[in-house]
Amino acid sequence: DTGVSQDPRHKITKRGQNVTFRCDPISEHNRLYWYRQTLGQGPEFLTYFQNEAQLEKSRLLSDRFSAERPKGSFSTLEIQRTEQGDSAMYLCASSPRTGYTEAFFGQGTRLTVV
Amino acid sequence: AQSVAQPEDQVNVAEGNPLTVKCTYSVSGNPYLFWYVQYPNRGLQFLLKYITGDNLVKGSYGFEAEFNKSQTSFHLKKPSALVSDSALYFCAVRDGSSGGYNKLIFGAGTRLAVHP
Repeated sequence: DTGVSQDPRHKITKRGQNVTFRCDPISEHNRLYWYRQTLGQGPEFLTYFQNEAQLEKSRLLSDRFSAERPKGSFSTLEIQRTEQGDSAMYLCASSPRTGYTEAFFGQGTRLTVV
Repeated sequence: AQSVAQPEDQVNVAEGNPLTVKCTYSVSGNPYLFWYVQYPNRGLQFLLKYITGDNLVKGSYGFEAEFNKSQTSFHLKKPSALVSDSALYFCAVRDGSSGGYNKLIFGAGTRLAVHP
């Protein structure tokens, strides 16, 4: 499968715990995005990487959230001290650098904070 | 402010009938518009896009969309609906302030229900 891969698919955690999600983009794509989707809403942009550089962060990304993309390959999104409001689907997407191509999304990680 | 509106929470259509899912947008600069589909507990699958050129864009699974600049709309259409088309559909526009990358603004989604 050469699509965007996300791990885990589901995560249940207790409030206050830290969680980390992983995204493996399509191999030739150097642009990587994280979005968050809550129930009944469309995805909301969180952050953007071009290669290893994090070029934009949404104000939705509080200081409890951190994202990395070491060596411009896979990316991780960590949430510290989780809150119930963090419960959502976290979507990763990637796209090539050139042209006006669409973003390709992974299947997402569904986080439930109890 | 840049935004996307999908005025219908749900669209119901009988199998074999034509379907339309509505989308209007507000964006600075030229609009780059997209439709995605989401099946239960799945990510988003790309259907089609409008960047420039013909106002009627053809995409995957027999879907097409009509770009109307004067009405700032980008409605999704299909001539003959299938039960398997039942899913959640999202319209999105590229944020005009982004540096050419896919920072997308999504609508809230429209649930399409196709009845046998």
